[in-house]
Amino acid sequence: DVKVTQSSRYLVKRTGEKVFLECVQDMDHENMFWYRQDPGLGLRLIYFSYDVKMKEKGDIPEGYSVSREKKERFSLILESASTNQTSMYLCASSHTRELTEAFFGQGTRLTVV
Amino acid sequence: AQKVTQAQTEISVVEKEDVTLDCVYETRDTTYYLFWYKQPPSGELVFLIRRNSFDEQNEISGRYSWNFQKSTSSFNFTITASQVVDSAVYFCALSEATGRRALTFGSGTRLQVQP
Repeated sequence: DVKVTQSSRYLVKRTGEKVFLECVQDMDHENMFWYRQDPGLGLRLIYFSYDVKMKEKGDIPEGYSVSREKKERFSLILESASTNQTSMYLCASSHTRELTEAFFGQGTRLTVV
Repeated sequence: AQKVTQAQTEISVVEKEDVTLDCVYETRDTTYYLFWYKQPPSGELVFLIRRNSFDEQNEISGRYSWNFQKSTSSFNFTITASQVVDSAVYFCALSEATGRRALTFGSGTRLQVQP
């Protein structure tokens, strides 16, 4: 089974802190994604990557950056956390060929106080 | 730009009722993929179905069925004889073959099945 693992289930951080959310997948997928989920807004794409050291902005990249140094790992970085970044963050991965479904991690609920 | 609309924010039914979740999409691509995911209270997104734009056949899987109509840009999901375990948030999503490979999600429909 494909596994997408996010490093933390719950996080509480202070305003202004630098925050790292880590995601690892074990199926050699080329594509990896970061979404945030907020009530009534569904999932919104923050950043994605098709290959190592490659990144593309999604629909809401402001305040975030990403890093993909290895194929299996995709990190989301909040350079200076703010309270409006309190949300559920979901990582996903997928195969390029045939646009197969994306597999999701369990999510990280981040609270910025 | 691609867009997915799930107009039903929340639906409440009594067990054994049939329920249909609506999904309307917009895309300029002729080749695209549509998906449904389920998010139970545990939070993890569970893949239910993928359908490509060239396959308009309806699909049935147990109590679940999907109706894809290109003429109305809709991909509706029906649960027959609903059960309490069907209570979840359901998301419809779209991915374009020639654009970015990321899924664009609707805002989700929360289904509550009462015993």
